[in-house]
Amino acid sequence: AQRVTQPEKLLSVFKGAPVELKCNYSYSGSPELFWYVQYSRQRLQLLLRHISRESIKGFTADLNKGETSFHLKKPFAQEEDSAMYYCALRGTGGSEKLVFGKGTKLTVNP
Amino acid sequence: DAGVIQSPRHEVTEMGQEVTLRCKPISGHDYLFWYRQTMMRGLELLIYFNNNVPIDDSGMPEDRFSAKMPNASFSTLKIQPSEPRDSAVYFCASSSWTGGYNSPLHFGNGTRLTVT
Repeated sequence: AQRVTQPEKLLSVFKGAPVELKCNYSYSGSPELFWYVQYSRQRLQLLLRHISRESIKGFTADLNKGETSFHLKKPFAQEEDSAMYYCALRGTGGSEKLVFGKGTKLTVNP
Repeated sequence: DAGVIQSPRHEVTEMGQEVTLRCKPISGHDYLFWYRQTMMRGLELLIYFNNNVPIDDSGMPEDRFSAKMPNASFSTLKIQPSEPRDSAVYFCASSSWTGGYNSPLHFGNGTRLTVT
């Protein structure tokens, strides 16, 4: 079974501070991991996927198979980063469904 | 491309009424997903289709919920009869499988359903 855990429902930091949103997963095969962001009352947008190994809006995430984690990091948070962040997993064994964590609401204070 | 289009954006209805939510996926995408978002449960996958065929409907809460995809450019999610606990934001998403590569999901703006 696929499971994604985001242990923090809420995270608050000050502008310019580093931020890390945690994500742990459970999956018996080789997963594909994503981070989606949802700004206030907008659609979910893809932020990162692990196979791309890119940095978007200053965010990075590294897949750690040993720790089964895919934490999202940014060295210097900006106020416009305030949003809901969802970690998601898709199996690579033929199932195309994307399973989401419950999300972390990030607030960046001025 | 206009992206995934959902209608209506907002729906307010009374308990017991039938509700129909609509979705137009991105042209060329062969997977379509319906998700429900609530504060308590986050994003839950209700059902998904591949080439208009339902593949996994294990997330559909109960028989009051049904989904159809009559063609590649249209899907509906119907709730009959609706109940207050169905109040949520319902998202539609689509993706494509091309040449062994599976694209990320692209989401619509969602339908905010309120059942009174």
